[in-house]
Amino acid sequence: LAKTTQPISMDSYEGQEVNITCSHNNIATNDYITWYQQFPSQGPRFIIQGYKTKVTNEVASLFIPADRKSSTLSLPRVSLSDTAVYYCLVGSGNTPLVFGKGTRLSVIA
Amino acid sequence: DAGITQSPRYKITETGRQVTLMCHQTWSHSYMFWYRQDLGHGLRLIYYSAAADITDKGEVPDGYVVSRSKTENFPLTLESATRSQTSVYFCASWDRGQTNEQYFGPGTRLTVT
Repeated sequence: LAKTTQPISMDSYEGQEVNITCSHNNIATNDYITWYQQFPSQGPRFIIQGYKTKVTNEVASLFIPADRKSSTLSLPRVSLSDTAVYYCLVGSGNTPLVFGKGTRLSVIA
Repeated sequence: DAGITQSPRYKITETGRQVTLMCHQTWSHSYMFWYRQDLGHGLRLIYYSAAADITDKGEVPDGYVVSRSKTENFPLTLESATRSQTSVYFCASWDRGQTNEQYFGPGTRLTVT
């Protein structure tokens, strides 16, 4: 399984765009990049998934460069309710994903 | 109600007792998972199941037993609870397909005294 590295924590002010970068140097050809969000006292929930280039949905955008060795989750204009832990995972869907410690995002008013 | 449920939501037990945490999903997803999350840490996979009667160890299986006689249920048993098993336990299901989207239950907060 490809291992991922992401910052332990980040702070941001409300209204700013937040970019969380994840490194996955050993990503395999069949692997997808998936991001989850976890609020306190809740289970994680799926945010977005991508294979290459850019993916956008109503919650976030995911940027993946051509070499796919990293990815960036972009949260536009964050609010206090975006305070959560964000996990970057890499896998092909043939084996269970491995959750790391994630990035703890704190949004400040 | 459709979804994934866990019971109990909160449990306090004593060291050495057997405890079973229940997980039920209504989607008929093939895969189910058990994770534990210790305070301030990420999720660690305990066991998973690819289908009924098929289970496999995750990162931290010691001290836990699972079974899956029906697709929709995936109970987790702590045969002799220890204080180190105090944690929040999350169950998840996954319909292997186009996405890696796992659906998580609300969690069970277990305290072993």
